[in-house]
Amino acid sequence: AQTVTQSQPEMSVQEAETVTLSCTYDTSENNYYLFWYKQPPSRQMILVIRQEAYKQQNATENRFSVNFQKAAKSFSLKISDSQLGDTAMYFCAFMKFIGSQGNLIFGKGTKLSVKP
Amino acid sequence: ETGVTQSPTHLIKTRGQQVTLRCSSQSGHNTVSWYQQALGQGPQFIFQYYREEENGRGNFPPRFSGLQFPNYSSELNVNALELDDSALYLCASSLVPSGINEQFFGPGTRLTVL
Repeated sequence: AQTVTQSQPEMSVQEAETVTLSCTYDTSENNYYLFWYKQPPSRQMILVIRQEAYKQQNATENRFSVNFQKAAKSFSLKISDSQLGDTAMYFCAFMKFIGSQGNLIFGKGTKLSVKP
Repeated sequence: ETGVTQSPTHLIKTRGQQVTLRCSSQSGHNTVSWYQQALGQGPQFIFQYYREEENGRGNFPPRFSGLQFPNYSSELNVNALELDDSALYLCASSLVPSGINEQFFGPGTRLTVL
């Protein structure tokens, strides 16, 4: 069975600075997807960034980038130039690549606070 | 384009009762997944519906059941409510049941069981 571990329950960062959130996972699959989701205090979960395991290049989306280390089963999220609107719960998630069922397996989350 | 909507927003029930939660998928999406998010935890997969059929289930007992309608909206039913069923219930819709397509989440229904 796949598991996702986020070892930082809470983090804080000053506005405009850079922060890195950690995620490790365990799987015997060779191909899979990894995601970072953001859940602001209003609760609606939104996708931040996605990485396909077969791609060696790390995904980037504007101020968000990942460091994907497949051998180490590590998938960290870097937020550059942090903004107050980045304050939220961040969840790392895993999904199998093969098979018709696309269910997400989530970690317990990291609560990020961006301070002015 | 209308996003994923859920109703009701909040619900309070007592132990032993039954509850029905509703989800309208995003336009054009034929797949709906349901997740349970207990306080301070990440969401856990309950089950998924694809074209009106159950397409996979997580580690939840049979008293959690669901339906998907021809318009691809969905219901989650929970019988014989227990205190531990208190949680935020999220639904997510996608074009197909695969990681190729993004899952779009609704705002959730907060269920409290007393």
